[in-house]
Amino acid sequence: RKEVEQDPGPFNVPEGATVAFNCTYSNSASQSFFWYRQDCRKEPKLLMSVYSSGNEDGRFTAQLNRASQYISLLIRDSKLSDSATYLCVVNRASSASKIIFGSGTRLSIRP
Amino acid sequence: NAGVTQTPKFRVLKTGQSMTLLCAQDMNHEYMYWYRQDPGMGLRLIHYSVGEGTTAKGEVPDGYNVSRLKKQNFLLGLESAAPSQTSVYFCASSSTGQPAYGYTFGSGTRLTVV
Repeated sequence: RKEVEQDPGPFNVPEGATVAFNCTYSNSASQSFFWYRQDCRKEPKLLMSVYSSGNEDGRFTAQLNRASQYISLLIRDSKLSDSATYLCVVNRASSASKIIFGSGTRLSIRP
Repeated sequence: NAGVTQTPKFRVLKTGQSMTLLCAQDMNHEYMYWYRQDPGMGLRLIHYSVGEGTTAKGEVPDGYNVSRLKKQNFLLGLESAAPSQTSVYFCASSSTGQPAYGYTFGSGTRLTVV
């Protein structure tokens, strides 16, 4: 079993829709959590951190459920430009080698 | 604002050949990393460095060597390339070693070993 698991998708939704996807992690000692975005054939870029109380950044909402060991990303009013792969990132400990990237969820927004 | 620059962007190697991938950053970051990304596998850490002159093994270090002789450069070497090393390689850097402030990634090197 992978330490960080994501539904690979693709999620194919119409513009303006709300879409959500989850990421589960297996190590209960994981300390911090992030969502990265990766456009096709490009490098990953930090989208947002995920805080215990949940946090928003414009149309994006991230939530953490430590009891069930998953994080989620909600995108409201989706735009064509949101089409990308979203990577879940989990930091197991205070060490550079303990940062685990999920394999990503592919999102495609159609007009 | 160059950020992280990787060279080359593309390369085709024959089995057994060697090559060096160069990563250069101009942000004075202490931490640098080499990842490989394969379909369905996510990014996997090959080696990393927490400062000039230091290197450490990541999750998949076999078949690779690294050096960090200067703070701004992190080199990844393949001594004898194998088809299993066909992948997209990303270099990244960060100031604190924590992704909270964002890793800055290079644009990647697409390597094919035939």
